[in-house]
Amino acid sequence: GAVVSQHPSWVICKSGTSVKIECRSLDFQATTMFWYRQFPKQSLMLMATSNEGSKATYEQGVEKDKFLINHASLTLSTLTVTSAHPEDSSFYICSAIGERGSQAFFGQGTRLTVV
Amino acid sequence: KQEVTQIPAALSVPEGENLVLNCSFTDSAIYNLQWFRQDPGKGLTSLLLIQSSQREQTSGRLNASLDKSSGRSTLYIAASQPGDSATYLCAVRRDFGNEKLTFGTGTRLTIIP
Repeated sequence: GAVVSQHPSWVICKSGTSVKIECRSLDFQATTMFWYRQFPKQSLMLMATSNEGSKATYEQGVEKDKFLINHASLTLSTLTVTSAHPEDSSFYICSAIGERGSQAFFGQGTRLTVV
Repeated sequence: KQEVTQIPAALSVPEGENLVLNCSFTDSAIYNLQWFRQDPGKGLTSLLLIQSSQREQTSGRLNASLDKSSGRSTLYIAASQPGDSATYLCAVRRDFGNEKLTFGTGTRLTIIP
């Protein structure tokens, strides 16, 4: 299957700082990328959908000014957690889709810990 | 609003046994359904994808079935192995133009050696 690489795999940051997470499709062009958040022992919650070259669409309840998403190319999307707080600590996972209707491939996730 | 449920939340079986994981969804108007595996602290690995027009898909020891009208899917694992221990998630996509996935709550599977 196709490969989606997420970096970093884990990060620890201080409260008030910003953290950027990258999601890359390595062997295909991703027309759409998704960002999910997962709390311990819970399922994935969709945060936002991003299409290359356009603004991300955020799910209800997700603060777009706090979770900045940029999809500058067909192989890269970034999620920046701004002014991070301990409650932002979570597991963040991205996924990417090539052609419309095709299956989604997932990155390996990023464990964010805010101290 | 689509809701996807997986029961049980956790399951332990001895090595070598066959087992079935269940997934149910409230809105039968789906485009496809996908089964994933997630190891602790890791991302998701796609196992099987079933289009709405299909009844089942097979890959090795895994077989997934779909009964769209009743809003159910099952993942059958034959001759379970300790390496099968993981959390299994099902997810549904509403239609061709909407690539969002709605995930189930997951079943944490433990295979006892």
